[in-house]
Amino acid sequence: DSGVTQTPKHLITATGQRVTLRCSPRSGDLSVYWYQQSLDQGLQFLIQYYNGEERAKGNILERFSAQQFPDLHSELNLSSLELGDSALYFCASSARRERGSEQYFGPGTRLTVT
Amino acid sequence: GQQLNQSPQSMFIQEGEDVSMNCTSSSIFNTWLWYKQDPGEGPVLLIALYKAGELTSNGRLTAQFGITRKDSFLNISASIPSDVGIYFCAGQLRGGNEKLTFGTGTRLTIIP
Repeated sequence: DSGVTQTPKHLITATGQRVTLRCSPRSGDLSVYWYQQSLDQGLQFLIQYYNGEERAKGNILERFSAQQFPDLHSELNLSSLELGDSALYFCASSARRERGSEQYFGPGTRLTVT
Repeated sequence: GQQLNQSPQSMFIQEGEDVSMNCTSSSIFNTWLWYKQDPGEGPVLLIALYKAGELTSNGRLTAQFGITRKDSFLNISASIPSDVGIYFCAGQLRGGNEKLTFGTGTRLTIIP
């Protein structure tokens, strides 16, 4: 158990809908990262938050947004869903270290858009 | 999005055999991480490497940070059934954007 929790585990929804994925980082970790895993693109970085502030963005679609709350949990919002958004979505958290930040992943949310 | 080249793509081995896989990049990284992922689960961190040339072990696993900073290697000795899964390398820069750039993965299967 990495200490990172994600809900829900599975989500099935229709095209055009909006969903919210939730992540709680490991105790004490200030950074939260969101990744998308699909068969054709592999694991891709979406966005990073550090202590409530957006830190870095990857190839995140404009239809997607995220935020990190004062209690450090994070939510990823996906709107106007398309079939191609079906994927596994992972959250990871890390503590800052001088040498680099080891990221610990949650169990993921499997999103199926029908 | 960018993915690092991992080889081999898949491996079929017998229990007890040693395993080697590698990961290469066209650009340098400051940190290399190795993860294992079981079906439907999140990646689990196995080893982290922070310095070019560094060799680090975690039980039967040994990983190396390449001298050029553009590659990394993972070895598994005396494989056991629970080693089955997909292994991913990930490169990371430091300072600001700490995103992980993942490799394409190596699927390990153990033949009975």
